[in-house]
Amino acid sequence: TQLLEQSPQFLSIQEGENLTVYCNSSSVFSSLQWYRQEPGEGPVLLVTVVTGGEVKKLKRLTFQFGDARKDSSLHITAAQPGDTGLYLCAGTFSGGYNKLIFGAGTRLAVHP
Amino acid sequence: EADIYQTPRYLVIGTGKKITLECSQTMGHDKMYWYQQDPGMELHLIHYSYGVNSTEKGDLSSESTVSRIRTEHFPLTLESARPSHTSQYLCASSESTDYLFGYTFGSGTRLTVV
Repeated sequence: TQLLEQSPQFLSIQEGENLTVYCNSSSVFSSLQWYRQEPGEGPVLLVTVVTGGEVKKLKRLTFQFGDARKDSSLHITAAQPGDTGLYLCAGTFSGGYNKLIFGAGTRLAVHP
Repeated sequence: EADIYQTPRYLVIGTGKKITLECSQTMGHDKMYWYQQDPGMELHLIHYSYGVNSTEKGDLSSESTVSRIRTEHFPLTLESARPSHTSQYLCASSESTDYLFGYTFGSGTRLTVV
């Protein structure tokens, strides 16, 4: 049983479209991180959210942490081919010594 | 420029061979981790270390072992490789156990056991 469920599993869109991917859990997290992984590489940290209801923006990417700290979303505005990759969410628990629990990821393909 | 290095990037070996996957970081981080990643599955923690001479098993049972003799070096060893060990192995490090800090990952080693 996955602690973190990511949806959708796959997403294929055209350049310029908007999209939202989700990360859900029944558990409360101390923090939630989003990573992007490109083929043949390791994940790269995009953002960390720690406060319920927190919203962070990174250029065209908007990250939101749910009020109850059980879920998060990533919204991309006007997607570009360079956004293509595997988006992973990962959570930490209080007292968990920063051991990350990962979701299975959303694989995004943005076509020109 | 990568601050955490994994070698080799790709490895194809026969069943029963002993292998060591190398991981080194130049950031002086005390916390280091090994994750296993299979297609369509979440990353699973198999080993972690909070400093020199400190190693712990992760949430996913693994037949591999690790050592931490130097801060910058965290190798993973399989004494006798089997086809079930075929996977992508990712090494990561973190500045702190504080949950505010993210991980820096290496590029991974893709292992195939035939």
